[in-house]
Amino acid sequence: AQSVAQPEDQVNVAEGNPLTVKCTYSVSGNPYLFWYVQYPNRGLQFLLKYITGDNLVKGSYGFEAEFNKSQTSFHLKKPSALVSDSALYFCAVRDGVGNSGGYQKVTFGTGTKLQVIP
Amino acid sequence: KAGVTQTPRYLIKTRGQQVTLSCSPISGHRSVSWYQQTPGQGLQFLFEYFSETQRNKGNFPGRFSGRQFSNSRSEMNVSTLELGDSALYLCASSQWDRGKGYGYTFGSGTRLTVV
Repeated sequence: AQSVAQPEDQVNVAEGNPLTVKCTYSVSGNPYLFWYVQYPNRGLQFLLKYITGDNLVKGSYGFEAEFNKSQTSFHLKKPSALVSDSALYFCAVRDGVGNSGGYQKVTFGTGTKLQVIP
Repeated sequence: KAGVTQTPRYLIKTRGQQVTLSCSPISGHRSVSWYQQTPGQGLQFLFEYFSETQRNKGNFPGRFSGRQFSNSRSEMNVSTLELGDSALYLCASSQWDRGKGYGYTFGSGTRLTVV
């Protein structure tokens, strides 16, 4: 069964320090991987995605993510955290092929709350 | 380009009532998904529609239903509301093209409070 794990409910980091939010996945075939961010009382916003190609993907607001096929991981990173990065982050996986009907199931992780401390 | 529009933004209902939430996807997006978000349960998948057909359904009771119209707009309905249905309901739309890896665009959600 397809699954996504975000092992940390919350990550605290000092402003200016690098941050990492972890994500591991399980899916049949090649995965499409996504990161979304949610600010309070808002819907989720797309940050970045991995489809194919370079394992390091760059996205919005200075975020990047590294795809590691052998470890089935897709960790979100940023070299220098800002207080405004404090939000809820969701990892998601979409199976790359879909079923016979072409349906590509999407599974979200449980979310990681990032707190950047001034 | 207009985003995903969810109406209403806020809703207060009484236990036992029913409610209908609406979602208008981005123009050209034919797939619409619904999620329930609560502080304790995180993001829970409700259902996904494409071409007016439900393609997948999450683990919710039959009180939760949905539909999609020919213009891709979608509605979800919750009957016999319970206090535990209080949540942020998110709609997401996506293009449908195998192998392209399209992501979701989310609406701002409908905050439902059941009293």
